[in-house]
Amino acid sequence: EDQVTQSPEALRLQEGESSSLNCSYTVSGLRGLFWYRQDPGKGPEFLFTLYSAGEEKEKERLKATLTKKESFLHITAPKPEDSATYLCAVQARVITGGGNKLTFGTGTQLKVEL
Amino acid sequence: DTEVTQTPKHLVMGMTNKKSLKCEQHMGHRAMYWYKQKAKKPPELMFVYSYEKLSINESVPSRFSPECPNSSLLNLHLHALQPEDSALYLCASSQGTANYGYTFGSGTRLTVV
Repeated sequence: EDQVTQSPEALRLQEGESSSLNCSYTVSGLRGLFWYRQDPGKGPEFLFTLYSAGEEKEKERLKATLTKKESFLHITAPKPEDSATYLCAVQARVITGGGNKLTFGTGTQLKVEL
Repeated sequence: DTEVTQTPKHLVMGMTNKKSLKCEQHMGHRAMYWYKQKAKKPPELMFVYSYEKLSINESVPSRFSPECPNSSLLNLHLHALQPEDSALYLCASSQGTANYGYTFGSGTRLTVV
């Protein structure tokens, strides 16, 4: 069974203090790893997709990287508006009949303070 | 249009009520999904529709009944729910089969009293 573990569960940073969030996964045949941002009471917002080990993607202060066992979301010089829960998800199984099942981790709740 | 629209945003219903959640997208995505999310937990898959046909039902109780009238619309019919069904219900869509991430709606916050 696919497993996704995120750490830490919660992270408090000062504005400008860079850090990394971890997503460890166990799947048989990774087809894609996804990062989402979720604000309280809202739906997850898509950030990145990574497909193969060594791949990196960047968007503003965020950079996602992927190895064969884990992914990191690096946050450089964060601002208070980066405060949110960051979810990692993997897709491994091909669904007969179509569609795309993502298995989510429990997320890292990030708080960036002034 | 790059959005998934869910209505209503909030819903309070009694255990004997019948209600429906609605989801709409106009991105031409051919796969649509219902997820359930409890507080401080990850989203859990309920149903997957692909090309308007149900392709996954993750052993969801029959008090939840999905419907996909056309490629842009997805409904979730609710009947005789329990208080433990209170959660954020998320609709999502994706371009099709493998390797595509989802676009999520903002969700419907459901409270069963």
